[in-house]
Amino acid sequence: DQQVKQNSPSLSVQEGRISILNCDYTNSMFDYFLWYKKYPAEGPTFLISISSIKDKNEDGRFTVFLNKSAKHLSLHIVPSQPGDSAVYFCAASDGNKLVFGAGTILRVKS
Amino acid sequence: GAGVSQSPSNKVTEKGKDVELRCDPISGHTALYWYRQSLGQGLEFLIYFQGNSAPDKSGLPSDRFSAERTGGSVSTLTIQRTQQEDSAVYLCASTLAGSSYNEQFFGPGTRLTVL
Repeated sequence: DQQVKQNSPSLSVQEGRISILNCDYTNSMFDYFLWYKKYPAEGPTFLISISSIKDKNEDGRFTVFLNKSAKHLSLHIVPSQPGDSAVYFCAASDGNKLVFGAGTILRVKS
Repeated sequence: GAGVSQSPSNKVTEKGKDVELRCDPISGHTALYWYRQSLGQGLEFLIYFQGNSAPDKSGLPSDRFSAERTGGSVSTLTIQRTQQEDSAVYLCASTLAGSSYNEQFFGPGTRLTVL
């Protein structure tokens, strides 16, 4: 059973525009969420996180929104840059481990 | 080194053979995780080590999989009698504390192909 779902396998955005990556989860006990970014042949790197007691966290061009009632979170990147092209993973903290979604491939076109 | 390192970067093996994958975590990190990513899937938790505590093996898919962490540092993931469905990228991560609230630092992974 997939507890963390990223339903869009890929997303293509024009440079300068906003990228919105979505993530849904099923376990209401998850209390901390993270986004990771992965380039080919590299391990994922931490991007931004949010606690379930908040509904928004912002870090530069990256903002994560959390809607607990809908069990939904999203990552906004604005403005998008070609260097943002990567795979983005949503993850939820489950005790000692992270539960990951399948990832969304973001392509930012220049 | 500055980051998590893994070896080999690529491994091709024949079905039925045993393989060992190595992870060198960041120096001083007490927690170490193994994940695998199969084609088109997210990262799947395998095992977690924290200090001298008994490891959390709840994610290991079968008894063909085992892992050790010697001296609280280097870890080896062993897959015995490999099957084609074991083909995946195996990722190791380490972190300072035992909580995944801290960002986990990932290595580049080992791509395992079982023919």
